[in-house]
Amino acid sequence: GNSVTQMEGPVTLSEEAFLTINCTYTATGYPSLFWYVQYPGEGLQLLLKATKADDKGSNKGFEATYRKETTSFHLEKGSVQVSDSAVYFCALPSGGSYIPTFGRGTSLIVHP
Amino acid sequence: NAGVTQTPKFQVLKTGQSMTLQCAQDMNHNSMYWYRQDPGMGLRLIYYSASEGTTDKGEVPNGYNVSRLNKREFSLRLESAAPSQTSVYFCASTEGMNTGELFFGEGSRLTVL
Repeated sequence: GNSVTQMEGPVTLSEEAFLTINCTYTATGYPSLFWYVQYPGEGLQLLLKATKADDKGSNKGFEATYRKETTSFHLEKGSVQVSDSAVYFCALPSGGSYIPTFGRGTSLIVHP
Repeated sequence: NAGVTQTPKFQVLKTGQSMTLQCAQDMNHNSMYWYRQDPGMGLRLIYYSASEGTTDKGEVPNGYNVSRLNKREFSLRLESAAPSQTSVYFCASTEGMNTGELFFGEGSRLTVL
């Protein structure tokens, strides 16, 4: 079935630094791809998504481009803030059942 | 603006005790899910309900049972809790199985001693 692999964390950055969190996928066809964010003590919430190849999803200054050539959906932000400290999950539907499958999550810690 | 509501938020059990985690959504979603989250393991699907009246096993169903009580409610039961079930449990819902966008509850932290 479909699967995603995320870079391991934690990723530790200073405020205003550039962020990249890598995500690569294995999939049949071209399913929608998602990034979820989990703030401390909360459930996950959708951050952004891309529904087809070459699409760019964006929200709250974060961006990710659906690249079929490299089977990647890397998350980027040009200038992180302390409030971006959270765990980020890459996800996609797992084949014909459409059940969302998640990566293991990448913890981001941003220092002032 | 409740979304997905889980109860209880915290629970401590002794090995062998039973308990039920409750989940309710007010978004008229058809599909509901139970995940567990463990350090370094991401989220793993326990059970899901594609629509009212149906339930199916996910990746890690052993030791759990579920009930889709109605369209709003989806409960998870531990019949005989084990320390390996110590985890944070999340309920989630989607409008339909092929939308992919999940709405999560805030989680239930369960400790089994």
